[in-house]
Amino acid sequence: GAVVSQHPSRVICKSGTSVKIECRSLDFQATTMFWYRQFPKQSLMLMATSNEGSKATYEQGVEKDKFLINHASLTLSTLTVTSAHPEDSSFYICSASSPLLVYGYTFGSGTRLTVV
Amino acid sequence: QQQVKQSPQSLIVQKGGIPIINCAYENTAFDYFPWYQQFPGKGPALLIAIRPDVSEKKEGRFTISFNKSAKQFSLHIMDSQPGDSATYFCAASKGATGTASKLTFGTGTRLQVTL
Repeated sequence: GAVVSQHPSRVICKSGTSVKIECRSLDFQATTMFWYRQFPKQSLMLMATSNEGSKATYEQGVEKDKFLINHASLTLSTLTVTSAHPEDSSFYICSASSPLLVYGYTFGSGTRLTVV
Repeated sequence: QQQVKQSPQSLIVQKGGIPIINCAYENTAFDYFPWYQQFPGKGPALLIAIRPDVSEKKEGRFTISFNKSAKQFSLHIMDSQPGDSATYFCAASKGATGTASKLTFGTGTRLQVTL
C-alpha cells in the first residue's frame, strides 16, 4: 500500500515551453504533497509544500510563478515548470503525506527533466 | 542552514561488512528520524525510521542507533550485499507521523559494496 505514482519518468522539452509533472496517490488520500528537486549527486531540496485545496507554500528562493503547483484533489498534485530553461533541468520528486500512513511519507519515483 | 549533517560522503565496504552512516541534528524539536535508500534515477524509499523514545531499532539487516543527548543517530547495515550499493539519506522532521511537517534531509552517503 501507500503508493505514489509519478509521471512522466523522463521528459525532454525545448526552452521556453512548459512541462507538467503529475503525482497520484493510488491507495490513500494525500492531505499534503511535497515537491523536491535533486541535482546530480546532491540531496533532495524541498521546493514547496501543498495541502489539498490550498495554495502551495514555497521555500525561500523558489519562484512560485515558474514552478506552479496544484493540489486540487486528495489524490492528485501537479508541478508545472513554466517557460523552462536549461538550468531547470533536474530530477523532480514528489512525496505524499497522510495521517493514515504509518511512516508519514511516501515518495514518487521521480521525473528526469531535460530542457534543450 | 544545514540542520542535519551526514557523514561520510561516500563509503566502500566489502560484501559482508557493516557500513555505518552517521547523522547529527541541531533542532531539538525533531522527533521523527527516517532513513531512505535511493538508487540512480529513482525516488527515495524508506528503509527504517525511529522516534526519540527508543535508542535502537532493528528491521532485518538495518539497524538505527539513536543518541538523544548527543543529537545523533546512525544506520548500520549488517551483512552488506552488492545490492545495497546505493545512496542513503538520513532525515528528520517535527511532529507526529503523517503530519504536514517537512522532512529535512542529510547530504547523503554513497555506499558501494564490493565482492
